[in-house]
Amino acid sequence: QKEVEQNSGPLSVPEGAIASLNCTYSDRGSQSFFWYRQYSGKSPELIMFIYSNGDKEDGRFTAQLNKASQYVSLLIRDSQPSDSATYLCAALMYSGGGADGLTFGKGTHLIIQP
Amino acid sequence: GAVVSQHPSWVICKSGTSVKIECRSLDFQATTMFWYRQFPKQSLMLMATSNEGSKATYEQGVEKDKFLINHASLTLSTLTVTSAHPEDSSFYICSAPDGVGYTFGSGTRLTVV
Repeated sequence: QKEVEQNSGPLSVPEGAIASLNCTYSDRGSQSFFWYRQYSGKSPELIMFIYSNGDKEDGRFTAQLNKASQYVSLLIRDSQPSDSATYLCAALMYSGGGADGLTFGKGTHLIIQP
Repeated sequence: GAVVSQHPSWVICKSGTSVKIECRSLDFQATTMFWYRQFPKQSLMLMATSNEGSKATYEQGVEKDKFLINHASLTLSTLTVTSAHPEDSSFYICSAPDGVGYTFGSGTRLTVV
């Protein structure tokens, strides 16, 4: 069974610091990984995705993937109060018949303290 | 960018009635639509996958006769919650592959009283 695990938090980080969010996944067949931000009562917003080992940077965000360790992380530099939200990690595995739905973790609640 | 329009954004219905939720892809063709459900403080759980012109596939434990999915065109997929009960109260979200990742609808908050 495909599982994505995240620490639910809350993770509290001072404004301006680096927030580090972690995620592990159980299915080695997972090929792509997504980080979404979700505000309470709202739909998830895509932050970035990664499918190759290593780091991928986009502005203040860096996603890291280590397939050997089945580990994905998201770093948020210069954290802002507006970054306070729940961050969802999701994994995708293509079954050969088309794209599968994403498997989501429960999310990490991030609080940026002004 | 790709947009999926989801309606209604919230709905309150009486127990035993049916509710239809619509998701439309506005500027791309959504051959596939995924339907998720999210309970408070829980993650999004995939309920079913709909493909245009064919029957939907349901995840284990999801009643296909209760959650009717129709995907009659490349831009419209609907989820009908039949004979809704209070335990069906949840946040329902659709999502479609957009060629880059997945675009989500804005979600529907269903409350069954």
